[in-house]
Amino acid sequence: SQQGEEDPQALSIQEGENATMNCSYKTSINNLQWYRQNSGRGLVHLILIRSNEREKHSGRLRVTLDTSKKSSSLLITASRAADTASYFCATDGNSGYALNFGKGTSLLVTP
Amino acid sequence: KAGVTQTPRYLIKTRGQQVTLSCSPISGHRSVSWYQQTPGQGLQFLFEYFSETQRNKGNFPGRFSGRQFSNSRSEMNVSTLELGDSALYLCASMRGDTQETQYFGPGTRLLVL
Repeated sequence: SQQGEEDPQALSIQEGENATMNCSYKTSINNLQWYRQNSGRGLVHLILIRSNEREKHSGRLRVTLDTSKKSSSLLITASRAADTASYFCATDGNSGYALNFGKGTSLLVTP
Repeated sequence: KAGVTQTPRYLIKTRGQQVTLSCSPISGHRSVSWYQQTPGQGLQFLFEYFSETQRNKGNFPGRFSGRQFSNSRSEMNVSTLELGDSALYLCASMRGDTQETQYFGPGTRLLVL
C-alpha cells in the first residue's frame, strides 16, 4: 500500500533554481529515505534520515523530517539539467524491512 | 563493490506462461527485497528474504513467489502470467542486520502479451 505521498506530482524549474519536494506519511517510522529514478530505471538512493533526526545534508541535498506532522521535505539547491528525474520518498512503516513508497514527484530542470 | 545486478533486463512473455527473475545482491548483503512498479499502482513491496527465509511479504497473490539461496542471490517467480503483471520488477539489497539503506538494481522490465 502507498503510505507516502509526494507533493507536488510534477515540478518544472530552470537550471540554477532550487527544487523543493514534500512527502507525507501515515504511520510511525524508524527512518525515511529519498530515492531518484531516471526514466524507468533503477532507484538511486539519495539520503536516509532517522526518526530522531530533524535535518540532514548531502552535497546539494537537504532533507528535513517532522515526525509530529509526519512529513519530510527534500530540497535540491542550484538544480542542474541532470537532476531531471522522478523523486520518491520511502518509509519503513511498521514492517521494518519493507519500504512503502509514494507516487513520486517528477522534476524537470530546463537549461 | 559491484552493485545489485538483475537478469534478464527485459522479458516478453504471453499470458499463462511463467517467468523467473534473478537478483544478485551487493557482496556481504544478506537481505533481498523485491518490488513491482507500474504506472497505475506505483512501487509496491512484494517480499523480502534474509538468510534464505522470507521475513516480510506484501499483498500479492500466491502466483508471486520467491526464494533466496545460501549465497544470498534471490529469484522471484510469477506463474500463470496476466496482462496486469507487466511491470518493472526491482530488487534491492541491504546488509539486513538493521533497518537501513536499501540499494536497488536496474530492474527487469516484463511485458506480458
